Amino acid sequence: DIQMTQYPSSLSASVGDRVIITCRASQSIGTSLNWYQQNSGKAPKSLIYAASSLESGVPSRFSGSGSGTDFTLTISNLQPEDFATFYCQQGDSLPFTFGQGTKLEMK
Amino acid sequence: DVQLVESGGGLVEPGGSLRLSCAASGFSFTHAWMAWVRQAPGRGLEWVGRIRSIFDGETADSAAAVHGRFTISRDDSKDTLYLQMNSLKTDDTAVYYCATIHSAKYTDFDHWGQGTLVTVSP
Repeated sequence: DIQMTQYPSSLSASVGDRVIITCRASQSIGTSLNWYQQNSGKAPKSLIYAASSLESGVPSRFSGSGSGTDFTLTISNLQPEDFATFYCQQGDSLPFTFGQGTKLEMK
Repeated sequence: DVQLVESGGGLVEPGGSLRLSCAASGFSFTHAWMAWVRQAPGRGLEWVGRIRSIFDGETADSAAAVHGRFTISRDDSKDTLYLQMNSLKTDDTAVYYCATIHSAKYTDFDHWGQGTLVTVSP
């Protein structure tokens, strides 16, 4: 199975800040990397697919990059609704696997 | 708008069975590949399995942890996805989400239901 590791596990930031979350795959997955946001008590929401493509309706302050084994999710100009847990997920091969999550908290 | 509504969760004893349903609307369910993802209390997300559309063979794949115990199926006449769970273990306790798969090429889960809680306990 492909292991997905996210860095950091938690992060504190303020409204208006720019944050970067990293996801590393245990083997190359091309650009088959997806990002999700999960607000407390809610279902996950898809943000980015294929490493850098924004899902419909997702604000442009979210962006993704990377290929192979190393990927990043960047959130610019943090808004209050962005404080949540973020997960990466590889869709390259079965079983699909998720990172352990990065919890973004308000400083 | 895409809507996915799960139902069928509840409390069940170890070794018991439960069938979850996911009613879909707002998109062409017949053409959609669908998935189940679960989340144990306070834990991260775990892929359970997926099923292809009838046009792609309607075959299913599942995670090793549930293979042979859980079965994913669909009824396109009812726009409904199912997860039959047998021989349940305490480790299966989780919120179970159904989700649409973007496409055969882009395997992200682009729409999610609200989830249904399954609790396996004596």
